[in-house]
Amino acid sequence: NAGVMQNPRHLVRRRGQEARLRCSPMKGHSHVYWYRQLPEEGLKFMVYLQKENIIDESGMPKERFSAEFPKEGPSILRIQQVVRGDSAAYFCASSTGTEGQPQHFGDGTRLSIL
Amino acid sequence: AQTVTQSQPEMSVQEAETVTLSCTYDTSENNYYLFWYKQPPSRQMILVIRQEAYKQQNATENRFSVNFQKAAKSFSLKISDSQLGDTAMYFCAFMKLANKLIFGTGTLLAVQP
Repeated sequence: NAGVMQNPRHLVRRRGQEARLRCSPMKGHSHVYWYRQLPEEGLKFMVYLQKENIIDESGMPKERFSAEFPKEGPSILRIQQVVRGDSAAYFCASSTGTEGQPQHFGDGTRLSIL
Repeated sequence: AQTVTQSQPEMSVQEAETVTLSCTYDTSENNYYLFWYKQPPSRQMILVIRQEAYKQQNATENRFSVNFQKAAKSFSLKISDSQLGDTAMYFCAFMKLANKLIFGTGTLLAVQP
């Protein structure tokens, strides 16, 4: 499958636990973007990464959230000490990084906090 | 900061008819890109169409076309010969260079048989 792969599709965590969301970009893409979609809302940008670099994290909450895209392996969005308000769908997208090229999305991870 | 506005929360159209979804945006940039994505009940985000701001010609993709009015900062999506499979949430999005997408709040389109 050459598309953007996200796992898990569904993740359930209790308050205070950690959530790790993974994203493997489309083949040939080296730029990854994370978005969050709260219930009944549009997607909101969180962070933009290139291999081993964070390009733009202006949409990322300052506390508890972090993201990485290592030289080898998938991009990881990590949420520490989750709270009920973190319940959302988290989408990853990838692109070639060339100006104007569309971003292709994964199927998302639906995070539920008990 | 750029903003994207979709003023129609919900719309309905009969199968085989034509519908237009509205989108306006605000930016001081001259070079940028606009997109429409659809999100069906399966929750996937699917690219529908792309427009380059420096091109006058409106983009088309089969039954989907846009009316891009740069001066008015308007970017509407026209769906011709609507099909039941077009039922989805439609999001308009703005992008500068290769940066983040800024999405509108979406329009929920229901195609009625």
